[in-house]
Amino acid sequence: QQQVKQSPQSLIVQKGGIPIINCAYENTAFDYFPWYQQFPGKGPALLIAIRPDVSEKKEGRFTISFNKSAKQFSLHIMDSQPGDSATYFCAASKNNQGGKLIFGQGTELSVKP
Amino acid sequence: EAGVVQSPRYKIIEKKQPVAFWCNPISGHNTLYWYRQNLGQGPELLIRYENEEAVDDSQLPKDRFSAERLKGVDSTLKIQPAELGDSAVYLCASSPGTAEQFFGPGTRLTVL
Repeated sequence: QQQVKQSPQSLIVQKGGIPIINCAYENTAFDYFPWYQQFPGKGPALLIAIRPDVSEKKEGRFTISFNKSAKQFSLHIMDSQPGDSATYFCAASKNNQGGKLIFGQGTELSVKP
Repeated sequence: EAGVVQSPRYKIIEKKQPVAFWCNPISGHNTLYWYRQNLGQGPELLIRYENEEAVDDSQLPKDRFSAERLKGVDSTLKIQPAELGDSAVYLCASSPGTAEQFFGPGTRLTVL
């Protein structure tokens, strides 16, 4: 019930394409769903986050789609660029646990020029 | 605004040796987390502090791991003695009391 399952494990797209990364969770008590971007040798950086009271959130080229009934959420990267090549992690937390994040397994994205 | 600072960035030790990691959170952030990230995996929480109090250490292997956050600012995570399986990246994160967590660059530990 504490798991967050992420797919695909790796993804290759051409520049300008729209990579989509998916996550699924089981615990309906989760109420905060962030996405992190991690470059080699760096710590995870918060990209965008959503709460279950909305179905979509956009920040620049990044969009989260959230499906509460299916317990799934996804990250879309519009007009992807080679500089977006990184590992992306979804996560989930329950506020009453003080924000302990449960992470997915990660998706290694490569954007080809 | 300065981010979360961690040191050292890299550490190589022999098994059974002790090791310590240091973290300075973002100024004003009362909540501090230590996570461990194994190769090819997402981070996993080891311990969470609210000011100087450890409020969640259920995932900390207490036989060999210890942590402290004196004065509610900087924190130190210690492993004694280290085992081969402790090789990982140790990440510190801080939060201003909201859901957002901001991570430092991590310390990459290699145990030989």
